[in-house]
Amino acid sequence: KQEVTQIPAALSVPEGENLVLNCSFTDSAIYNLQWFRQDPGKGLTSLLLIQSSQREQTSGRLNASLDKSSGRSTLYIAASQPGDSATYLCAVKGTSGTYKYIFGTGTRLKVLA
Amino acid sequence: GAGVSQTPSNKVTEKGKYVELRCDPISGHTALYWYRQSLGQGPEFLIYFQGTGAADDSGLPNDRFFAVRPEGSVSTLKIQRTERGDSAVYLCASSPSGSVETQYFGPGTRLLVL
Repeated sequence: KQEVTQIPAALSVPEGENLVLNCSFTDSAIYNLQWFRQDPGKGLTSLLLIQSSQREQTSGRLNASLDKSSGRSTLYIAASQPGDSATYLCAVKGTSGTYKYIFGTGTRLKVLA
Repeated sequence: GAGVSQTPSNKVTEKGKYVELRCDPISGHTALYWYRQSLGQGPEFLIYFQGTGAADDSGLPNDRFFAVRPEGSVSTLKIQRTERGDSAVYLCASSPSGSVETQYFGPGTRLLVL
């Protein structure tokens, strides 16, 4: 059974810092991995999607890497801003004909001005 | 353009009552998903529709939960004999075809069972 873990559970950093959020998964047989952002009381917004054959994806100040064999992904945020404050969730989709995502519990990020 | 919408945004009900939660996906999206998110947790998969049919309902916790999508667009999640443990945010997501694309999430319905 796939399990997704995110560390740390919460993080508080001063504005301008570069930071790394970690995601690990127990079953390396994944189809893709996706990072989402969730603002309080809101739905999820997709940030980056990495297919299983890819090593990384970049969008603006965000870079996500995937090491499928070790069951790890990292989300790197450069030059953090107060507007980046949110909960960041990673989710994996398995390969065995499933369409559902298995989510981690998230990292709650606060960027201090 | 219009995103995924969910109604109501909040629902308070009493234990034992029946509730219906509605999801309007993005127009043209054939895939629709329901998730449940408890406080401090990530979303938990409930059911996936491809068109009108439930392609995967393995996440429904028990037979009190049921979902329909009769015309392949709007979906309704139905919960019978609600229990306090059903209190959560119910999220709906849609995607163009369900295979490789990003899922687009609605804002959720916050259900509180007293």
